[in-house]
Amino acid sequence: DTGVSQDPRHKITKRGQNVTFRCDPISEHNRLYWYRQTLGQGPEFLTYFQNEAQLEKSRLLSDRFSAERPKGSFSTLEIQRTEQGDSAMYLCASSFSGTGSTEAFFGQGTRLTVV
Amino acid sequence: DAKTTQPNSMESNEEEPVHLPCNHSTISGTDYIHWYRQLPSQGPEYVIHGLTSNVNNRMASLAIAEDRKSSTLILHRATLRDAAVYYCILWDDKIIFGKGTRLHILP
Repeated sequence: DTGVSQDPRHKITKRGQNVTFRCDPISEHNRLYWYRQTLGQGPEFLTYFQNEAQLEKSRLLSDRFSAERPKGSFSTLEIQRTEQGDSAMYLCASSFSGTGSTEAFFGQGTRLTVV
Repeated sequence: DAKTTQPNSMESNEEEPVHLPCNHSTISGTDYIHWYRQLPSQGPEYVIHGLTSNVNNRMASLAIAEDRKSSTLILHRATLRDAAVYYCILWDDKIIFGKGTRLHILP
């Protein structure tokens, strides 16, 4: 397994356009997380899935943001009507939820620039 | 909100040990203590985690206070590649990052 992969790595879009990012987790991981990170700040939690169920959404996640994990494998994060404030690094992570605790593995992120 | 407190930044000389402190006074009995680090322009990377006992792995050691209200990440011999932001986290179904400690390594 090559780890968590995210696509694209970079995206430049015009304000008002819709964008979609994809995350492929580590294959046996049942949990998938999305985070957003702006310059100089720690990653902010957005949402997470266990298998295909979206278990929690942050209040940071406005109605313009939607995430899916239809078959419990890859996930997509869509931002509609992008705004300049959406410019950030979007990080995906996955982990296996079982007994005890386990580590999460992060992708390299998708850097979004809204112009 | 992050439930841990860390110094904003620390400095260490190359090839010397580094002790990164973390306070987590509101920790519950089932919270695991995790440490992640983020190198420039990369996603966060798992370092180590523990519950009650001290833990060692190839990257670092984790010393957990007896009352579990604080912990220390120990890098035994820092290299320039260890310069990163280190996050101390209480695992609660998801990772909530605080501001972390920016570690500078001096050659």
